[in-house]
Amino acid sequence: KQEVTQIPAALSVPEGENLVLNCSFTDSAIYNLQWFRQDPGKGLTSLLLIQSSQREQTSGRLNASLDKSSGRSTLYIAASQPGDSATYLCAVDNAGNMLTFGGGTRLMVKP
Amino acid sequence: DVKVTQSSRYLVKRTGEKVFLECVQDMDHENMFWYRQDPGLGLRLIYFSYDVKMKEKGDIPEGYSVSREKKERFSLILESASTNQTSMYLCASRETRNGEQFFGPGTRLTVL
Repeated sequence: KQEVTQIPAALSVPEGENLVLNCSFTDSAIYNLQWFRQDPGKGLTSLLLIQSSQREQTSGRLNASLDKSSGRSTLYIAASQPGDSATYLCAVDNAGNMLTFGGGTRLMVKP
Repeated sequence: DVKVTQSSRYLVKRTGEKVFLECVQDMDHENMFWYRQDPGLGLRLIYFSYDVKMKEKGDIPEGYSVSREKKERFSLILESASTNQTSMYLCASRETRNGEQFFGPGTRLTVL
């Protein structure tokens, strides 16, 4: 059964820092991996989707990488801003249509 | 833009009541999902549907049922609400082409 772990569980950084969020998964036979953002009390917003054949995806200040063989993905946020404060979730699709979620990283960016 | 809407942002119900949560997507997606999210437990899949009138159990289907009569609409039903079903409920639909999932805004359900 797929297991997804995110480290760290919480992170606090000053504004302007570049930061990396980590996601690891146990079964490398994945279809895709998706990163989401969740603000308190709200739904999930899709940030980036990486197909199993891809190594990375970029959107603005966000860059996500995927290393299937080692079971890892990272989300890189450049020049962090207070508006980036949220919980970030990674989720793995094992081609059964269902996503397995990590526990999330709660990010706070201080002005 | 894909849009997934849920019928209520907040609901308060009493134990034993029948509760309907509705989800609508506007992108003609075949696959739709219901999750619940609880502190310390993360997101857990309740049911999903891969076509009209088709459904599959997820990880925690007990106490729930679903209905998919039209492609754009997926309903979650709590036959007899209990206090342990107090939770945030999230609906999602899945893009067939690349598997990307899109979520609704969530329904915070409180069962008293």
